[in-house]
Amino acid sequence: DAGVIQSPRHEVTEMGQEVTLRCKPISGHNSLFWYRQTMMRGLELLIYFNNNVPIDDSGMPEDRFSAKMPNASFSTLKIQPSEPRDSAVYFCASSGTGGSQPQHFGDGTRLSIL
Amino acid sequence: EDQVTQSPEALRLQEGESSSLNCSYTVSGLRGLFWYRQDPGKGPEFLFTLYSAGEEKEKERLKATLTKKESFLHITAPKPEDSATYLCAAFSGSARQLTFGSGTQLTVLP
Repeated sequence: DAGVIQSPRHEVTEMGQEVTLRCKPISGHNSLFWYRQTMMRGLELLIYFNNNVPIDDSGMPEDRFSAKMPNASFSTLKIQPSEPRDSAVYFCASSGTGGSQPQHFGDGTRLSIL
Repeated sequence: EDQVTQSPEALRLQEGESSSLNCSYTVSGLRGLFWYRQDPGKGPEFLFTLYSAGEEKEKERLKATLTKKESFLHITAPKPEDSATYLCAAFSGSARQLTFGSGTQLTVLP
């Protein structure tokens, strides 16, 4: 089975530009998560969706960040405008039905804001 | 506030030299704990779920155990391909909200 698919794998852009990260979860999974990973702060949960509905966005750093899940097989994380401090690896993960299912991660998008 | 602490931060072993990684947690009402392996440039890969004290899970050279305060990942006769960062993550209410440790970077030298 295909795992979680993220695109692009790498993104380099200039400060102030809009950045859109994409994620396709594992088919049949009903929860989707966006994380950010940095050396200083480790893995941080930004937002998660259950059945395409945002449940907890308390980890979204500020209004420049937004996430959508228009259907069960696609989600986006958008940063507008981007800033150098947004540079990090962004991971998408998905999990199946049930409160104890493990999350399965994609290989991430390495984002560099110049 | 829930906390998960992993030690050591980094560990270098010779091939065949067994050891253990520690994951201590202060999570109110722990429901479960996950172990993940993360290779450079990749996302965390799920290894094990542990639900209750005394539980053990094994996969190849890895064995994970759980007590009421901590979890251990035992690595028996490791090989260079076991080199990775190992992460643990605990949850209380739901596995949708995990508290991650900062990881142990394991290097196994040939």
